[in-house]
Amino acid sequence: GAVVSQHPSRVICKSGTSVKIECRSLDFQATTMFWYRQFPKQSLMLMATSNEGSKATYEQGVEKDKFLINHASLTLSTLTVTSAHPEDSSFYICSAWDYFTDTQYFGPGTRLTVL
Amino acid sequence: TQLLEQSPQFLSIQEGENLTVYCNSSSVFSSLQWYRQEPGEGPVLLVTVVTGGEVKKLKRLTFQFGDARKDSSLHITAAQPGDTGLYLCAGAQGTGKLIFGQGTTLQVKP
Repeated sequence: GAVVSQHPSRVICKSGTSVKIECRSLDFQATTMFWYRQFPKQSLMLMATSNEGSKATYEQGVEKDKFLINHASLTLSTLTVTSAHPEDSSFYICSAWDYFTDTQYFGPGTRLTVL
Repeated sequence: TQLLEQSPQFLSIQEGENLTVYCNSSSVFSSLQWYRQEPGEGPVLLVTVVTGGEVKKLKRLTFQFGDARKDSSLHITAAQPGDTGLYLCAGAQGTGKLIFGQGTTLQVKP
């Protein structure tokens, strides 16, 4: 299957700081990427759809000013958690959508801990 | 709101037992995907089913897509401790966006 990478895999930051997470599609060009949040032993919760060259589409209840998404190229999307607080601590996962197979390939996830 | 109901959400069985996980929806999907996720890792695609009534086998795992493309099941035969993990079903509607089920946490005890 296609490879999607995420960086960093783990990050610990102080409350009030901003953290950027990168998601790269290594095998194919992805016009659309997705960002998810996952709580322990729960399913994935879609946060936003990242479209190359245009604004991201956020799901209801997700603060767009807090979770900034940039999809500057066909292989890279970034999620910036601004002014992070302890309640933002979570496992964040991205995926890249392969249009031709209608399949999402997931990254390995980023564990964010806000102290 | 489109929903994909996945059951059971938790399953703890002994090695060698069989199990079935179900995903049901009132919506029609263009395809349905099954993923397995280990703690601290991203979901890994197991299979994609596309055609109504389709059955796919992956070693001891059997996946079925309902005739109306609204439901799916995953059957594991003779479960092993290595099958332990979170199983996720997800329905696609051709837009790239996936509708996820609640997930099934499977624990197989030796």
